[in-house]
Amino acid sequence: DAKTTQPTSMDCAEGRAANLPCNHSTISGNEYVYWYRQIHSQGPQYIIHGLKNNETNEMASLIITEDRKSSTLILPHATLRDTAVYYCIVRVARQNTDKLIFGTGTRLQVFP
Amino acid sequence: DVKVTQSSRYLVKRTGEKVFLECVQDMDHENMFWYRQDPGLGLRLIYFSYDVKMKEKGDIPEGYSVSREKKERFSLILESASTNQTSMYLCASSFPVGGYTFGSGTRLTVV
Repeated sequence: DAKTTQPTSMDCAEGRAANLPCNHSTISGNEYVYWYRQIHSQGPQYIIHGLKNNETNEMASLIITEDRKSSTLILPHATLRDTAVYYCIVRVARQNTDKLIFGTGTRLQVFP
Repeated sequence: DVKVTQSSRYLVKRTGEKVFLECVQDMDHENMFWYRQDPGLGLRLIYFSYDVKMKEKGDIPEGYSVSREKKERFSLILESASTNQTSMYLCASSFPVGGYTFGSGTRLTVV
């Protein structure tokens, strides 16, 4: 199963872009990259996902390298409410298996 | 607003008790999941279901069973609770493609 590697923690000033990197060098060709975040004592919240192409939604942008071995989540204008643990995840979905493989995540602290 | 609802936010049970954790989703999702989250270990999959009455073991099924009699409901059962099952339990649902939606979690303490 593919695994992801993320920095343990990052800081970002409010109003600036937060760029969260992730390595997933063992990802397979048909496995999607997902990003979730978790605020203390709540369930993980879906942010965005992608396979090969860059993706954007109302929350964030996802940039995936051409070789698919790494990706970056971009929060374009971080706010204090974006302080959370961010997980870069590979979804493994094949016969009789469907799961998200969570790593240890990046603790993002947004400061005023 | 789409939702995954877990019946209890906090539970305290005694060792040896049979424990039921209930999860309901209102999105008509085919897939439903039970994970547990422990410090330093992240989220680990216990069981998942891709259809009514269908279930598959995840990475740590020992000591647990599940039931899915209706599409919207997925129950996790601890047949005989033990202290090492003290954890945060998270239910999720999804279509076969797309994001999972997680519930708020049930923090179970077994004493």
